Amino acid sequence: DVQMTQSPSTLSASVGDRVTITCRASQSVSSWLAWYQQKPGKAPNLLIYQASTLESGVPSRFSGSGSGTEFTLTISSLQPDDVATYHCQQYNTYLSTFGQGTKVEIK
Amino acid sequence: EVQLVESGGGLVQPGGSLRLSCSASGFTFSSYGMHWVRQAPGQRLEYVSAISGKGTSTYHAESVKGRFSISRDNSKSTLYLQMSSLKPEDTAVYYCVKVKDSTQLWTYFDSWGQGTLVTVSS
Repeated sequence: DVQMTQSPSTLSASVGDRVTITCRASQSVSSWLAWYQQKPGKAPNLLIYQASTLESGVPSRFSGSGSGTEFTLTISSLQPDDVATYHCQQYNTYLSTFGQGTKVEIK
Repeated sequence: EVQLVESGGGLVQPGGSLRLSCSASGFTFSSYGMHWVRQAPGQRLEYVSAISGKGTSTYHAESVKGRFSISRDNSKSTLYLQMSSLKPEDTAVYYCVKVKDSTQLWTYFDSWGQGTLVTVSS
């Protein structure tokens, strides 16, 4: 299985800050990577797919980059509504795997 | 609007069985592969099972192989997960999820149900 590791596990930032979350794969997954946002008590919601393509309806302050084994999710200006846990998912192999999640809080 | 509504979760004793259902609407159900993904308390999301649009191909994670069975009834737009020989480590919220691309099964997910909690405990 491809192991996905996110860092940090938790981050605390101020409203308006630029926030970056990293996701590393144990082997290359090309650009077959998605990011999801999960608010407390809710199901995950797709933000980005194919590493950098923004899903329709997702605010433009979210962006993704990377390929191979290292990927980043960036929130250009953190908003109170962005408090959530963010998950990466690789879908390069027939058994997709997820990162352990990064919890984003407001300082 | 796509809607996925799971049901069938609950408390079950170790070794017991449970069948989860997911009622789908808002899209041509038979055209899309579907998955079950679970999330144990405080743990990462974990792929459980997948099924092709026509139901001819099914896949299961090693952790549930031989115990869980995924199926679908396209005439009822319903996805199922039959779970047997349940273990405490199967305790999780189970999500029914739809793939975005109708031509791919192993891809990302654009719609998730609200989840149903399965608790395996004596």
